[in-house]
Amino acid sequence: AQSVTQPDIHITVSEGASLELRCNYSYGATPYLFWYVQSPGQGLQLLLKYFSGDTLVQGIKGFEAEFKRSQSSFNLRKPSVHWSDAAEYFCAVGGLTGGGNKLTFGTGTQLKVEL
Amino acid sequence: GAGVSQSPRYKVAKRGQDVALRCDPISGHVSLFWYQQALGQGPEFLTYFQNEAQLDKSGLPSDRFFAERPEGSVSTLKIQRTQQEDSAVYLCASRLVRESGGELFFGEGSRLTVL
Repeated sequence: AQSVTQPDIHITVSEGASLELRCNYSYGATPYLFWYVQSPGQGLQLLLKYFSGDTLVQGIKGFEAEFKRSQSSFNLRKPSVHWSDAAEYFCAVGGLTGGGNKLTFGTGTQLKVEL
Repeated sequence: GAGVSQSPRYKVAKRGQDVALRCDPISGHVSLFWYQQALGQGPEFLTYFQNEAQLDKSGLPSDRFFAERPEGSVSTLKIQRTQQEDSAVYLCASRLVRESGGELFFGEGSRLTVL
């Protein structure tokens, strides 16, 4: 069965500081990995995704994520956080097999940005 | 429309009532998903359609939940004899292609409160 763990429920950073949100996954084959952001009252918006190739992927809004197969991780990073980045972030895993047409989400990390 | 549209945005039901939630996906999108997001949790998969065919309904929590997409576009999620544990945000997402790698576009959700 596929699963996602986001160990940090809440994270607070100062505006301008760097950010790293952790994500660990479990999947029996080559995973597709995603990061979504959800602002209050809004739908989920895709930040970036990894399928294959370069393990460092760039996304929108200055976010990037690195796939590390040996650690089963797909951590999200941003060099300098803006106040508008305050939101909830979800990591998700899917793939070609074993229910690959559905994504399994983590429980999310709530990001607070201090001015 | 430009995005995935869901209605109603908010629904309050008395325990035992039936409810119907509507999803209008992006025009031309082949795949459609329903997710349930409880308070403080990540979205959990309910069911998946490819055109009008319901290919996966493994996430539906009970036989009180029923989904349809009769013409391969608009979908309805119906919950019969609602219970308090059904209170959640129900998210609909659509995808242009059948393949797992395509981006999911989410609606803003329908928040159901069962009293």
